[in-house]
Amino acid sequence: QSVLTQPPSASGTPGQRVAISCSGSGSNIGSNTVHWYQQLPGTAPKLLIYSNNQRPSRVPDRFSGSKSGTSASLAISGLQSEDEADYYCAAWDDSLKGNVFGTGTKVTVL
Amino acid sequence: QVQLVQSGAEVKKPGASVKVSCKASGYTFTSYDIKWVRQATGQGLEWMGWMNPRSGDTGYAQKFQGRVTMTRDSSIGTAYMELSSLTSEDTAVYYCARGNAIDPWGQGTLVTVSS
Repeated sequence: QSVLTQPPSASGTPGQRVAISCSGSGSNIGSNTVHWYQQLPGTAPKLLIYSNNQRPSRVPDRFSGSKSGTSASLAISGLQSEDEADYYCAAWDDSLKGNVFGTGTKVTVL
Repeated sequence: QVQLVQSGAEVKKPGASVKVSCKASGYTFTSYDIKWVRQATGQGLEWMGWMNPRSGDTGYAQKFQGRVTMTRDSSIGTAYMELSSLTSEDTAVYYCARGNAIDPWGQGTLVTVSS
């Protein structure tokens, strides 16, 4: 059962900007950092953003993350066809003493 | 490079147990927690628990308490996740992953529970 809430879908045309929200509570996003993962069809998830807004070196700077209070957001600028995937947010939850994941957002490139 | 390689697909009957392995390479195995996450077909990611390879300490999601056991063999840099009393609801791809940022992930192990 997911504790973090994301929109089920988002879409855009090539070159557009798409933003995905992730809503939590004080025990998870409000108290800990947020990470974002990209899951291409049939593959394992890959880390996209860690610690709210940090990008691994292999991730293009088209991807950016932010956090405010108990919500976080992932933005994809200059949308490309290869960005079509499922995206998940995650955070540690102090009450559950474990990680919690978002419900997932399917990004479609029109 | 840092890599986690998991054991192959399993088919189990209801009531049985399954043990999935996760072999780490490219880093010091005892320096990062190992986390386990599963994903049923067409569904989202579900966190199962974590294990500290240095101490052996574990923490399990309440849903799996009493049914899951996470262990390790540090001499060969391998973590294990055993899930017992399987039902069809446990049919899923099981992933191991490293550390607080949960990165990288293993390739996944499909566990199918069917009579």
